Amino acid sequence: GDSVTQMEGPVTLSEEAFLTINCTYTATGYPSLFWYVQYPGEGLQLLLKATKADDKGSNKGFEATYRKETTSFHLEKGSVQVSDSAVYFCALSSGAGSYQLTFGKGTKLSVIP
Amino acid sequence: SAVISQKPSRDICQRGTSLTIQCQVDSQVTMMFWYRQQPGQSLTLIATANQGSEATYESGFVIDKFPISRPNLTFSTLTVSNMSPEDSSIYLCSVRSGERISGYTFGSGTRLTVV
Repeated sequence: GDSVTQMEGPVTLSEEAFLTINCTYTATGYPSLFWYVQYPGEGLQLLLKATKADDKGSNKGFEATYRKETTSFHLEKGSVQVSDSAVYFCALSSGAGSYQLTFGKGTKLSVIP
Repeated sequence: SAVISQKPSRDICQRGTSLTIQCQVDSQVTMMFWYRQQPGQSLTLIATANQGSEATYESGFVIDKFPISRPNLTFSTLTVSNMSPEDSSIYLCSVRSGERISGYTFGSGTRLTVV
């Protein structure tokens, strides 16, 4: 079945540091890939997505590129801010059957001033 | 994208009781999903709810424990029945509009504590 393996945290960075959160997946067919963010005390928000190989999703300075050859969708940001402190979830939708989302375990990011 | 209103946002319940969570969507959607997020964990799909048919439950979840209603294309409820402390979690509903590339929208979640 579908699965998402995500770098486990917690991750603690200083403000303006470079961020990478690794995500790899296993899926049938050609899944769509997503990054969701959950700020403290809030629900999930879509951060970015990519629907086919070599697509790059980007939003709020975050980027992730759909790499079919390595089955990866790593999240990157060049300079993190304190306001980026949150839990980040990598997810996929294979489109096979019910179109449900399969999530990784989440990575908690803390950015310190 | 769709906007979801989920309520209650949080509740503290006595063991053995039941809680019904509601999700109202501002547009008609084909598929609605219910997830559980246990403390410090990722999201686990409970069931998929389609209008006009019975919900499809994932392994480990049963209708008697988590009955779901989907009376129309904009509304659904999830009931957590005969609660125990192990049911303490965040419960979220989610929708997709029917087009795969549109992504998914989540409700703000219901934080349930069972005492």
